Amino acid sequence: QKEVEQNSGPLSVPEGAIASLNCTYSDRGSQSFFWYRQYSGKSPELIMFIYSNGDKEDGRFTAQLNKASQYVSLLIRDSQPSDSATYLCAFNKGNFNKFYFGSGTKLNVKP
Amino acid sequence: GAVVSQHPSRVICKSGTSVKIECRSLDFQATTMFWYRQFPKKSLMLMATSNEGSKATYEQGVEKDKFLINHASLTLSTLTVTSAHPEDSSFYICSARRQGRTMNTEAFFGQGTRLTVV
Repeated sequence: QKEVEQNSGPLSVPEGAIASLNCTYSDRGSQSFFWYRQYSGKSPELIMFIYSNGDKEDGRFTAQLNKASQYVSLLIRDSQPSDSATYLCAFNKGNFNKFYFGSGTKLNVKP
Repeated sequence: GAVVSQHPSRVICKSGTSVKIECRSLDFQATTMFWYRQFPKKSLMLMATSNEGSKATYEQGVEKDKFLINHASLTLSTLTVTSAHPEDSSFYICSARRQGRTMNTEAFFGQGTRLTVV
């Protein structure tokens, strides 16, 4: 079993819609969870992180964490074509910034 | 945010040669840096943890003699791919942790190096 599971997509949404990206993880010792966005041929860039159960909002982005279900999600409101990218979820468990990444979900936002 | 610079961004080398990739933290000191490899349409796979002043820690399945890591200062880690083969062609990315920060902070990534072995 992979440590982090993501649907590879592609997930297609129309411009202005809400995009919902999901991620499950297997290690209950996981402590912090991160969402990264990666454009083709570029390095990942951090969108947000979350380590407490519940929701965390930052602008158009909302991360949701449910540790009991080992589930983390990212909602993107008012999706824009520029949001089209691959979204990686990641977690760390003790070693500072030793991240374990999911395979990523490709998001296409259609104008 | 903090800046991590990686060089070169692209390199093409002949099979059997060695290639060195540099990762620098420009505005902070990094006691620990991490090296990842990413194949097309795949996720980032952690290769090794680079520790300043000590030996790197390699993930299972990563050949330490093939991927030499040196972390000689608090701002520089290097990855050398020795005797490169076409199957080593990949996107290599480093990341760094700012010294003194807690664990729940972001990883700062370099721009990545696209290695093509011909």
